Amino acid sequence: GAGVSQSPSNKVTEKGKDVELRCDPISGHTALYWYRQSLGQGLEFLIYFQGNSAPDKSGLPSDRFSAERTGGSVSTLTIQRTQQEDSAVYLCASSLGGLPYEQYFGPGTRLTVT
Amino acid sequence: SQQGEEDPQALSIQEGENATMNCSYKTSINNLQWYRQNSGRGLVHLILIRSNEREKHSGRLRVTLDTSKKSSSLLITASRAADTASYFCATSRPGANSKLTFGKGITLSVRP
Repeated sequence: GAGVSQSPSNKVTEKGKDVELRCDPISGHTALYWYRQSLGQGLEFLIYFQGNSAPDKSGLPSDRFSAERTGGSVSTLTIQRTQQEDSAVYLCASSLGGLPYEQYFGPGTRLTVT
Repeated sequence: SQQGEEDPQALSIQEGENATMNCSYKTSINNLQWYRQNSGRGLVHLILIRSNEREKHSGRLRVTLDTSKKSSSLLITASRAADTASYFCATSRPGANSKLTFGKGITLSVRP
C-alpha cells in the first residue's frame, strides 16, 4: 500500500510568515510522529499523536509550533512567525500503535526560511 | 537532545567488505532501532531489537545489543555500492511514548 506522504516537498518562506506542513500517514496506523532534521541539531522529536489520547508535545521548540491530527489520520504541523533557525527538513512518521513498533517515515518537507 | 552516539562518524569501504557501525546510548531503553537515510530525505527502517534480545539478523544485517554496556552494533555483510547512505541508531525509552531519540548518524560510503 501507499507509504507516508508529506506535502509540500519543499517550502521557501520569508521570515515572519506562517507555514503549514501536511502529513498523510499509512492507513490504519494509529500513531503519528513529527521530527525535525537540521545540520546543527540532528534528528529531533517534535510531537506524537496516539489515537484519541492527548498528544505528547514535549519536543516542540517554542509556542510558535503547533500540530493537529484530524479524524485520527492527516496531520498538519504549523509554524507561526517563522525564523531562520526553523530551516530544516520536517519528517513525519507513522506506526501501528503506541507500542515500540518500527516507524515508517515520509520523504520530508524541506523548509527554508529566508 | 541526542541519546545515541554512533561511531565512526564516517566509514569508507570497498564493495564486498563488511561494515561495522557502533552506537552507544545513555539511559534505559525499550528497544533500539537502526534506520538508513539516502540523500538526506526519508528514513527507512532496517531492524528493531528489543531490550531483552541480544542479537538479531535480517538478510545481510546483523544487530547486537549489550544493555550492560549500553551499546549496539550494526554489521552489514558483503557490502554493495547501494548500501552507501547515512545510518542512524534510535532508542525508545520506557515511559516515553515510543518516541525515538536519534544519534547523529554514520555516513557509509561503499566504493564499487
